[in-house]
Amino acid sequence: DGGITQSPKYLFRKEGQNVTLSCEQNLNHDAMYWYRQDPGQGLRLIYYSQIVNDFQKGDIAEGYSVSREKKESFPLTVTSAQKNPTAFYLCASRGQRDNTEAFFGQGTRLTVV
Amino acid sequence: ILNVEQSPQSLHVQEGDSTNFTCSFPSSNFYALHWYRWETAKSPEALFVMTLNGDEKKKGRISATLNTKEGYSYLYIKGSQPEDSATYLCAFMIKAAGNKLTFGGGTRVLVKP
Repeated sequence: DGGITQSPKYLFRKEGQNVTLSCEQNLNHDAMYWYRQDPGQGLRLIYYSQIVNDFQKGDIAEGYSVSREKKESFPLTVTSAQKNPTAFYLCASRGQRDNTEAFFGQGTRLTVV
Repeated sequence: ILNVEQSPQSLHVQEGDSTNFTCSFPSSNFYALHWYRWETAKSPEALFVMTLNGDEKKKGRISATLNTKEGYSYLYIKGSQPEDSATYLCAFMIKAAGNKLTFGGGTRVLVKP
């Protein structure tokens, strides 16, 4: 079945360590997104990519990095520069036509201790 | 940062009652408006993608309208059922930002039996 997969579901890291969250899709979508959700808040855009080897900063990109070497994959690295990394992270993908919706992964809950 | 506002943040609805809530967005350079339903422990799922002023979309008991000139969209739930309990998210795209998909804070709906 086509879909978008995030791994792992739960992740624990020590403060000061970089950590990479995986996002893979087999929907043949060009656009991919990373969002962060904090308690009581909506989804805030971290980075997005419209095509392979291209990506743009979202509204809260500081302390994060991404790569888009393959169409199927859009990993997110949470660096030690991110001041409040504990959050729920959602990945999404979308086709390029005007009226297409986004499809979401199951999310990764990152806890930094 | 594009401001997408949703109101109210939360609402309680009695089973069988109808309800509606609002998504407000910048009216200039409009490209598309998305609505998603996000149930607890699941991924957000698309309800509607709307691109034209005056658009009205319907899926079962849920419908949405769009006014791009004044920058708002309404989501309606007719005859609310407990299974309608979820967070409803709207997301906005503008022409100048390619595939950037910016979400509002969501409206959390709780339908009481």
